[in-house]
Amino acid sequence: AQSVAQPEDQVNVAEGNPLTVKCTYSVSGNPYLFWYVQYPNRGLQFLLKYITGDNLVKGSYGFEAEFNKSQTSFHLKKPSALVSDSALYFCAVRDIYGGATNKLIFGTGTLLAVQP
Amino acid sequence: DTEVTQTPKHLVMGMTNKKSLKCEQHMGHRAMYWYKQKAKKPPELMFVYSYEKLSINESVPSRFSPECPNSSLLNLHLHALQPEDSALYLCASSRGGRSPDTQYFGPGTRLTVL
Repeated sequence: AQSVAQPEDQVNVAEGNPLTVKCTYSVSGNPYLFWYVQYPNRGLQFLLKYITGDNLVKGSYGFEAEFNKSQTSFHLKKPSALVSDSALYFCAVRDIYGGATNKLIFGTGTLLAVQP
Repeated sequence: DTEVTQTPKHLVMGMTNKKSLKCEQHMGHRAMYWYKQKAKKPPELMFVYSYEKLSINESVPSRFSPECPNSSLLNLHLHALQPEDSALYLCASSRGGRSPDTQYFGPGTRLTVL
C-alpha cells in the first residue's frame, strides 16, 4: 500500500533560521510527490512537486524540497524562515492505483511555528 | 490563473435543511474533487469527477450528493446532515488524464450543522 509519513506534528524554528519539514514515502514504482501549505481557515496552496528529473525542486515563497530515493524522503526546506511561514504543511503522494484520476494520499500534516 | 472559487464561505444549517455548496474554476481543468477536512487533519477525498463523469465515490453517505453540470462547475448537495458532518469542505481541480498533475484548491466552505 502506498503511504506518506510526516513524523513531526510540530516544528518550531526561530525567524531567520533554516527550516526543514520532514516527509517520507512508501510507494510501488515511481513516486509523484507534492507539498501543500494551509494557512488558518484557508484552502491548501500548492508549493512544489517532484515528478522526475533534478532531485532538488524549487517552489513558491522560497521553499525547496530534496527528493532522496535511497532514503525515500522528500523533505521541505527553506534557508531562512519568516514568521509568515507559520502554517500547516502537508506532504502528499499520487496514488498510482488512481487510474485516470490524480488521487492524492496525504500525510498527517506538520504545524510549523516560526518565532520572531 | 490558478483560482478555484467556492461559495458560500460559511454555512450554518439544521439537520433537516437542504443546502448546496458551489465550486467553480476557469482553468480548463477536466478533473474536479470534493474533500472534507476536520481541524488540523489532512483532507479526506469524497468524490472525483473526470470529464464531467463521477469516477470516484469514497463510500460517502447518500446525504451528500455531488453534481457536475459542466466542466467548470461542481456542486455538492447536502440533505439531512449530522452534526459530525461539520467541517471545512474543499473543492479542487486539476488538468485531468493519466499524467500526474497538480490539484489546485479553493478556499473552502466552513460548514456547521446544528
